Amino acid sequence: GAGVSQSPSNKVTEKGKDVELRCDPISGHTALYWYRQSLGQGLEFLIYFQGNSAPDKSGLPSDRFSAERTGGSVSTLTIQRTQQEDSAVYLCASSLRSSGSLTDTQYFGPGTRLTVL
Amino acid sequence: KQEVTQIPAALSVPEGENLVLNCSFTDSAIYNLQWFRQDPGKGLTSLLLIQSSQREQTSGRLNASLDKSSGRSTLYIAASQPGDSATYLCAVPYSGGGADGLTFGKGTHLIIQP
Repeated sequence: GAGVSQSPSNKVTEKGKDVELRCDPISGHTALYWYRQSLGQGLEFLIYFQGNSAPDKSGLPSDRFSAERTGGSVSTLTIQRTQQEDSAVYLCASSLRSSGSLTDTQYFGPGTRLTVL
Repeated sequence: KQEVTQIPAALSVPEGENLVLNCSFTDSAIYNLQWFRQDPGKGLTSLLLIQSSQREQTSGRLNASLDKSSGRSTLYIAASQPGDSATYLCAVPYSGGGADGLTFGKGTHLIIQP
């Protein structure tokens, strides 16, 4: 079956512009996660959705970052007024969590490489 | 705050050798630990997930162990092959006892020489 997909695969934008990154999780997966991978910084957790709600937004680096999920499926990560330090690969993952299990494997998409000029 | 450390940061060995990658974490109240591999320009592939009640998991030539009390995990790769070249990452739940996002180590960059 299809894995986690993300679009676009690459995005180049100018400082100050807004960008939207999209994630399509594996069908039936109720949990969805966003991460950021910056050069030299490693992978950083941003936000987690269970269904359409986001119980944990603690990883969002600033109020310029927001995310939503509709219909319990597709999620969009929006970065407003982008800054050069936002340049990174943004990864999305999903997991089953159908029974509230806390131990499900997370499956990752290929990521969106964001470059802010 | 959970912190994950991986040693070594990089490793280069000849094909055929057995090798061990190390991971340590500061908060032992975890539900699970996962090992991933990441190939250049690609996303992460899950290799093994060890439940907190388990001590090890095996998949093919890979064996991962978990010692919660000491905050350590190891990934053992037997009979290494050039195709094993990748960055290996370990990860534990972000908030220690919770299982929402994951906290990752910075990875071990592995090169297997043909």
